[in-house]
Amino acid sequence: DAKTTQPPSMDCAEGRAANLPCNHSTISGNEYVYWYRQIHSQGPQYIIHGLKNNETNEMASLIITEDRKSSTLILPHATLRDTAVYYCIDMDSNYQLIWGAGTKLIIKP
Amino acid sequence: NAGVTQTPKFRVLKTGQSMTLLCAQDMNHEYMYWYRQDPGMGLRLIHYSVGEGTTAKGEVPDGYNVSRLKKQNFLLGLESAAPSQTSVYFCASSYSVDSEQYFGPGTRLTVT
Repeated sequence: DAKTTQPPSMDCAEGRAANLPCNHSTISGNEYVYWYRQIHSQGPQYIIHGLKNNETNEMASLIITEDRKSSTLILPHATLRDTAVYYCIDMDSNYQLIWGAGTKLIIKP
Repeated sequence: NAGVTQTPKFRVLKTGQSMTLLCAQDMNHEYMYWYRQDPGMGLRLIHYSVGEGTTAKGEVPDGYNVSRLKKQNFLLGLESAAPSQTSVYFCASSYSVDSEQYFGPGTRLTVT
């Protein structure tokens, strides 16, 4: 079973920041949180990952709470091409990614 | 640099038939993975490999076999296809166990 929980769907206006929440209250102290997205039915695409500090790259920012029980993925200026299913993923004790159903993000013009 | 490629893109099988899906990567990655994705769900790990000549079971290995004879290739076999194996199959590779995974475009398999 997935170790993370996400809302099933969200909307965001084009040009606005999209904030996608994720709850991972059972995460262990040395487990990373990963974010991937899947556009249409293409292969998933890596976005970002983090352990305890906030992370930023050219695609997004990842904000992790101090207790590490939740995180937020931020797409700073969403475009129509960011419409996708976004997965917040934990890694189990066998170093395998455990995928849930994700959040379907729809960017509206 | 093609990344991760999968062959074939689509396939229709009859129950009981066998087939092999081929995954190839040109990034010299040690780790390779086979996932399946059913409608509206996330990916589930079938088998994975931590290097040439090694394989290991994932979350849903039953009905599938794999081989990693060459570092760049990871084969997924279905010996006797069943309708429950109708799914989209994704292959991925990564440099290390906790680094980002690169995915192929997927194979859509229908078993009738």
